[in-house]
This record gives sequence, structure tokens and C-alpha cells, in this order.
Amino acid sequence: SQQGEEDPQALSIQEGENATMNCSYKTSINNLQWYRQNSGRGLVHLILIRSNEREKHSGRLRVTLDTSKKSSSLLITASRAADTASYFCATSTGGYQKVTFGTGTKLQVIP
Amino acid sequence: DTAVSQTPKYLVTQMGNDKSIKCEQNLGHDTMYWYKQDSKKFLKIMFSYNNKELIINETVPNRFSPKSPDKAHLNLHINSLELGDSAVYFCASSQGLGGRTYEQYFGPGTRLTVT
Repeated sequence: SQQGEEDPQALSIQEGENATMNCSYKTSINNLQWYRQNSGRGLVHLILIRSNEREKHSGRLRVTLDTSKKSSSLLITASRAADTASYFCATSTGGYQKVTFGTGTKLQVIP
Repeated sequence: DTAVSQTPKYLVTQMGNDKSIKCEQNLGHDTMYWYKQDSKKFLKIMFSYNNKELIINETVPNRFSPKSPDKAHLNLHINSLELGDSAVYFCASSQGLGGRTYEQYFGPGTRLTVT
């Protein structure tokens, strides 16, 4: 079964607005990562948050993790047209750190 | 220089054929992966190798056989191709495991179309 499910499936905002994407998962995790995928390209790693962390920042990105609710959110502030892409959360579980990707949120930033 | 490269980028073939996809990484990573992304963008891990040893083998038909000749290469051979195999296949690599998760670096993908 799918470990991570993202919400919303699609999001359209104006340039300069903030974009928030949510990820829910089902089992205990070691950590959670967010990736971006531009159309027709491979995934690019954005940020990793460990299970004992609650919030992490990287540039215009802010990630939160609530292990009690088994959920995470990715906030992109002051969005740009170049942020248009699909965003995936990925959870790591088990001894071999198996990474399972979510269903993705397709973000469109309108200039 | 490309960190993770895959060949070919596009592959169109008929049902029943056998095909291979090659992957190479020049990052010095110990771990490599194959993922399948379907038409709904759902990305699912297929295999993972660490130091040429298979460590993750998901529920994948036996027609799919990965081979890792060395730490920098992980190839995927597919026998008797079926329509349902049509997807984009991504190779990825990361540093060794050691009880930690490291970010994965993805290749550009190979779009396989089976007709």
C-alpha cells in the first residue's frame, strides 16, 4: 500500500504567493524527505527531516513533521514561476532505509 | 558532468521483446536504485543495490533482472516485455546506508513504451 499520500493533488497559485503541500503516511518512519520533479525530468532532493525533528528550513522552503499525526507539510514562500513542478514526499523505514514515495502534488505557479 | 546517467532516454519496442536499460553514476556512491513511475506519476521502488549486493527487491515480476557489475553501474534487463511495463524508469544513487538515509540523486529517466 502507498506509504505517503499528498494533499492537494494539484495546486495553482499566483507568483509571490505561498504554497503549502501536505503529506500523510501510515507507519513509523526514520525520516522524511521532499523531492521536486520538473516535467520530463528526474527527481531532485529538496530537504530531509529526521523523525526527532519538528521543523526545518532551507531557503524559501519550510518543512514540518508531526510524528503523532503521521504528517508533514512543505511550505514554499514567495513562489516563483520556476517552482512549477510536482513535489513528492518520501518516507524512510526499516533497517535498509527503504524510501517510499508519496503520490505527489502538482504545483503550478502563474506568473 | 552528469552525475547519474541512463541510456537510452526513450525506448519503443514490441510486446515479447527483451530490452536493457543502463545506468551509471560518477558520484562515488555505494547504493543504487531502480524506480518505476507510471502514467499517474506514482513512483515505486523496484530494486536497490549496496556495494553490488541486492538489498531491496520489491514485488517485481521475474522478467525484471537487475545487474550490478560494479558500484558505479546498475543495469535493468527486462524479458518478454508486456504492455503494462510501459512507464518511465528512473535510476538513482545515494551514499552508503550505515543506518542513515541519504538524499538520492536521480537520473533523467528512460521512457519505455511497449506496443
